[in-house]
Amino acid sequence: GAVVSQHPSRVICKSGTSVKIECRSLDFQATTMFWYRQFPKQSLMLMATSNEGSKATYEQGVEKDKFLINHASLTLSTLTVTSAHPEDSSFYICSARDGGARTDTQYFGPGTRLTVL
Amino acid sequence: QQQVKQSPQSLIVQKGGISIINCAYENTAFDYFPWYQQFPGKGPALLIAIRPDVSEKKEGRFTISFNKSAKQFSLHIMDSQPGDSATYFCAASWSGRRALTFGSGTRLQVQP
Repeated sequence: GAVVSQHPSRVICKSGTSVKIECRSLDFQATTMFWYRQFPKQSLMLMATSNEGSKATYEQGVEKDKFLINHASLTLSTLTVTSAHPEDSSFYICSARDGGARTDTQYFGPGTRLTVL
Repeated sequence: QQQVKQSPQSLIVQKGGISIINCAYENTAFDYFPWYQQFPGKGPALLIAIRPDVSEKKEGRFTISFNKSAKQFSLHIMDSQPGDSATYFCAASWSGRRALTFGSGTRLQVQP
């Protein structure tokens, strides 16, 4: 099956620093990737939709200047949390749709645990 | 209108029993309904998905039942095993917005 990887799997940073999370589709081209955030024992909340070669579409309430998304290639999207604060500590998960397949299936990455001290 | 309501919040089933999780939606534009399984600290994994043109889909021990008129769909896990203990999420999307809207999740515990 299609594989999506994320790097890093865990990151601990100091308040005020920026953190970049990478999401890669390993065996397919992803024209669209999605970024979700999940707090402990809660559901996944969509943050933004990332389309290759264009600006990301952010959900209401998500600060685009704080959560920078870049989808520069068909296999890579990055999420940068700028000036991170303790309340940004969460589990960040990306997903990707196979642009070459006639399917709505989204494949999820393993997630990145961000802890901001 | 984008909400997907999921129940129960938690479920305890004996090994070999049937686990049933229910979801309801309001947006009639939804046309894709997947179920995901998530283990602690891991990303969700697709279990099974259905479209509104069929009322049931079965893959191994997992079955989705879909009731279009009631705007409800459910996941049935037959012969539940301790290894099925995880959190299950229903979701929905539509062609105009392919991002998934997730239910609140159900924590399933299968007792040996």
